[in-house]
Amino acid sequence: DAKTTQPNSMESNEEEPVHLPCNHSTISGTDYIHWYRQLPSQGPEYVIHGLTSNVNNRMASLAIAEDRKSSTLILHRATLRDAAVYYCILRDTRGSTLGRLYFGRGTQLTVWP
Amino acid sequence: KAGVTQTPRYLIKTRGQQVTLSCSPISGHRSVSWYQQTPGQGLQFLFEYFSETQRNKGNFPGRFSGRQFSNSRSEMNVSTLELGDSALYLCASSLLAGATTDTQYFGPGTRLTVL
Repeated sequence: DAKTTQPNSMESNEEEPVHLPCNHSTISGTDYIHWYRQLPSQGPEYVIHGLTSNVNNRMASLAIAEDRKSSTLILHRATLRDAAVYYCILRDTRGSTLGRLYFGRGTQLTVWP
Repeated sequence: KAGVTQTPRYLIKTRGQQVTLSCSPISGHRSVSWYQQTPGQGLQFLFEYFSETQRNKGNFPGRFSGRQFSNSRSEMNVSTLELGDSALYLCASSLLAGATTDTQYFGPGTRLTVL
């Protein structure tokens, strides 16, 4: 059900940019791309979402490929607090599963001081 | 504004018992979703409620049920507990049900251990 593919893990040094990739080759034209992250011992938290255009907010940037088959979450300057599991999710717009979040395995991001 | 709260935070039960978990959404939010998180299966959708009606259901057996009250608070119940039901149960609230741009806000979860 997840319909997205992410690397199992990535590492970064503190204060360096991080690019977290996500493949979603079967995305439909109306599926939104959402990113959530889960810090240790906490519930997931929303990071950012987009449809076609690149998006920026105070937490991160989302770069969406022109064909929408892949996207990249960009953390401009990683901090130790950014160490978490990052989930790339397609927000289903069809039928009875409208709006349901399908979580894949996500990417475990490790940030080194 | 207070976040999503879940009670209890930790629970230990034995096989065959039943359990009820509670979730209070963010004030003004009318949709509540429940998820189960285990190391083996990851995060899996259980069900979603909006205006006291179940709008969406995941692939879980009938032992898993839920309800939503008029104040949007929600409970989920698991009957005849099995060892495999040990998991972190997460509740998420949002303003609307099924809106593709709506953000879901998660609570800290209830850690259920079945012995």
